[in-house]
Amino acid sequence: QVQLVESGGGVVQPGGSLRLSCAASGFTFSSYPMHWVRQAPGKGLAWVSIISFDGNNRYYADSVKGRFTISRDNSKNTLYLEMSSLRPEDTAVYYCARDYISDYWGQGTLVTVSS
Amino acid sequence: DIVLTQTPLSSPVTLGQPASISCRSSQSLVHSDGNTYLSWLQQRPGQPPRLLIYKISNRFSGVPDRFSGSGAGTDFTLKISRVEAEDVGVYYCMQATQNPATFGRGTKVEIK
Repeated sequence: QVQLVESGGGVVQPGGSLRLSCAASGFTFSSYPMHWVRQAPGKGLAWVSIISFDGNNRYYADSVKGRFTISRDNSKNTLYLEMSSLRPEDTAVYYCARDYISDYWGQGTLVTVSS
Repeated sequence: DIVLTQTPLSSPVTLGQPASISCRSSQSLVHSDGNTYLSWLQQRPGQPPRLLIYKISNRFSGVPDRFSGSGAGTDFTLKISRVEAEDVGVYYCMQATQNPATFGRGTKVEIK
């Protein structure tokens, strides 16, 4: 069965960095584009970034452009999100999701940016 | 960016009664490939989102047939034919036709 498991969240100070991972299993990872979506506490869903199946195309929300980098390692079936220059407003649960239609989601990993 | 406007933002419903949620897009969601990448997601309390409907009207695997999607162009609707207790949560429309992908603000479905 399809599984997506995020990890790497935690508490970080403003201006700090963090790398999130999303381990995929149960499907041919290298065939699907992948998203990162976040949800601030008590708020709605906000799209963060998408990467094509081969990693050659990447898009970012304006709010994270220049600070976040999405990547993937198809040999390890893993999606990444490198986050730098973190701000308090980046505090959220970060989800990875499969495909343009976001048919499968992970459980999420919480990132808290606070001094 | 494409803006998705959901109404209502809150929907108190009696068990067994229908519910309907509207999602209006600021631009046509028809992709150049002919598909319309409009999805509906359900998020139960404390859970990650779950896909219910994709490409306007296709029910995802395992989704009960009381959920249905319809619409075209810029106007879309999610209907629950008979609300059950397990349907409580927040429902989001999402478009992936154009980057950046965007979500509606969400509609909270609760039992009266």
